[in-house]
Amino acid sequence: DAKTTQPTSMDCAEGRAANLPCNHSTISGNEYVYWYRQIHSQGPQYIIHGLKNNETNEMASLIITEDRKSSTLILPHATLRDTAVYYCIVELTGNQFYFGTGTSLTVIP
Amino acid sequence: DTEVTQTPKHLVMGMTNKKSLKCEQHMGHRAMYWYKQKAKKPPELMFVYSYEKLSINESVPSRFSPECPNSSLLNLHLHALQPEDSALYLCASAPSGTWGIREQFFGPGTRLTVL
Repeated sequence: DAKTTQPTSMDCAEGRAANLPCNHSTISGNEYVYWYRQIHSQGPQYIIHGLKNNETNEMASLIITEDRKSSTLILPHATLRDTAVYYCIVELTGNQFYFGTGTSLTVIP
Repeated sequence: DTEVTQTPKHLVMGMTNKKSLKCEQHMGHRAMYWYKQKAKKPPELMFVYSYEKLSINESVPSRFSPECPNSSLLNLHLHALQPEDSALYLCASAPSGTWGIREQFFGPGTRLTVL
């Protein structure tokens, strides 16, 4: 099954782009990549998902490599409110999914 | 109404108590989920209801008993819990009745302490 690997923590200066990487080297062809974040003391929040193509919405962009073994979540202009734990999740065939350990992003003023 | 509400926000209970956690959504979502989250760990899926029927039970001990009385309401009944069950309990809902991680809306959670 496709597990994900993410750096434990990252810092980003306020106003700069935050690039959060995720490795999912065992992903299968029809398995989607999802990103959620969890701000302290809140429930997780859906950000974006993708299969093969790059995706963009009002919150973020998702870049998936051509071989689909890794992806990067981009927050184009990070603010202090973006400080959170970011989870990269692969939804396996049969709808199973597992939250990985996530990346704790700290946006610094 | 685009939110999932959970009550209570905090709960302290003894090991012999019976209590219930409540989750409600009015978005017409057809899948509802319970998760358990220990401090500094990711959420772990416990139960999934799809179209008000229990679809997934991730080998959760019987001291946790879920109930879905209608499409908007999800309960988690607690009985004879252990101190190690202390955690944040999260509820989520999703538009599709086909369960998965897709576009779930999470509530703020109930922080449970078992003494």
